[in-house]
Amino acid sequence: DTAVSQTPKYLVTQMGNDKSIKCEQNLGHDTMYWYKQDSKKFLKIMFSYNNKELIINETVPNRFSPKSPDKAHLNLHINSLELGDSAVYFCASSQMGRTDTQYFGPGTRLTVL
Amino acid sequence: DAKTTQPNSMESNEEEPVHLPCNHSTISGTDYIHWYRQLPSQGPEYVIHGLTSNVNNRMASLAIAEDRKSSTLILHRATLRDAAVYYCILRDKLDSSYKLIFGSGTRLLVRP
Repeated sequence: DTAVSQTPKYLVTQMGNDKSIKCEQNLGHDTMYWYKQDSKKFLKIMFSYNNKELIINETVPNRFSPKSPDKAHLNLHINSLELGDSAVYFCASSQMGRTDTQYFGPGTRLTVL
Repeated sequence: DAKTTQPNSMESNEEEPVHLPCNHSTISGTDYIHWYRQLPSQGPEYVIHGLTSNVNNRMASLAIAEDRKSSTLILHRATLRDAAVYYCILRDKLDSSYKLIFGSGTRLLVRP
């Protein structure tokens, strides 16, 4: 069973569209994250949720809205997509208070045309 | 956040040991040293972490200098599957955000 899964794996869309990326973890963790890896391969934290509450918001544009319906899911909705949003988005999860090892999903490659 | 410095790239032969260095001269007393790696077209994966003492697990060993200003990730026998970008990351155990701050890492090339 996949520990952290993301859908879709690839997403190609036009500028101005709205799209969502879904993430699910079956590890029983209480904390989930979204990271963005740009074309230069730098990985940067975007958001983090602990027990469905937002704990990190790294100055990401308001067009990005994470939603955590429960501890096992953290979805990322992006409004009015721009060319600069093209990147690979990784979801991760961890259990706070332990070693806080983060487990990453396989990534979603978003291409905005 | 304390910063780490790693070589951009390293090369190794298959089945030989690999020593990946990391400098973190501004490390604080509460910073854990974490290593993650990212295989091509995959998400990062945890490798190992430590605070002061050397650590071993099934994937690798972590040697931490006595002054903690540097550390070395040791892969005992490199395989082709170990070709990846290796990230050395400091995480303050008092930081309740638990975020990981990735640098540019070391790209490891393993020659058959």
